[in-house]
Amino acid sequence: ETGVTQSPTHLIKTRGQQVTLRCSSQSGHNTVSWYQQALGQGPQFIFQYYREEENGRGNFPPRFSGLQFPNYSSELNVNALELDDSALYLCASSLVGYRLTYEQYFGPGTRLTVT
Amino acid sequence: AQTVTQSQPEMSVQEAETVTLSCTYDTSESDYYLFWYKQPPSRQMILVIRQEAYKQQNATENRFSVNFQKAAKSFSLKISDSQLGDAAMYFCAYRSGETSGSRLTFGEGTQLTVNP
Repeated sequence: ETGVTQSPTHLIKTRGQQVTLRCSSQSGHNTVSWYQQALGQGPQFIFQYYREEENGRGNFPPRFSGLQFPNYSSELNVNALELDDSALYLCASSLVGYRLTYEQYFGPGTRLTVT
Repeated sequence: AQTVTQSQPEMSVQEAETVTLSCTYDTSESDYYLFWYKQPPSRQMILVIRQEAYKQQNATENRFSVNFQKAAKSFSLKISDSQLGDAAMYFCAYRSGETSGSRLTFGEGTQLTVNP
């Protein structure tokens, strides 16, 4: 069974640029959630994708967007990068069914630095 | 909106001793789940233990156990026989059982140091 993987591991971007982060969900999972973890803080929920559609969003501006593909892998896109976007971005996958939600399994994260 | 509070930014324990990490939460829901996650320096978030709100019995996983006080909205983690490998950041998290999906709300974390 393959766990959750994320790429790249580290990334350095300049303010104003755009970035795409990738996540491969664990085998058999149909839901991907993205979290932003600033240094020294707890993760903050960005959004979740279920069967290729956004299924809940946290308090993040529209320049944070995402995609989920038929194989349940996912992308997080951030436009017009700001210095405050520097953080660890975590992806988590889970299996969601009718009235059932199983545990989230996290990937190792992507460390984004905006200069 | 639900909130999770961890009032201990840092804790330390001697190897083989017991330590308790505190967590309080606020919610108006009756159906929810609570979790403790461990994040070592490798950054990968690892589930330590979960508790369903409808269960009165406290969850236990080997050396890890919780004290779930639903009326007080308190959810502490006890680590017995602490080991060097337990050193990590620990996060308390909440998930609604009343809405679809699996959004987690995290606390700010407690950095646990284990002294040899």
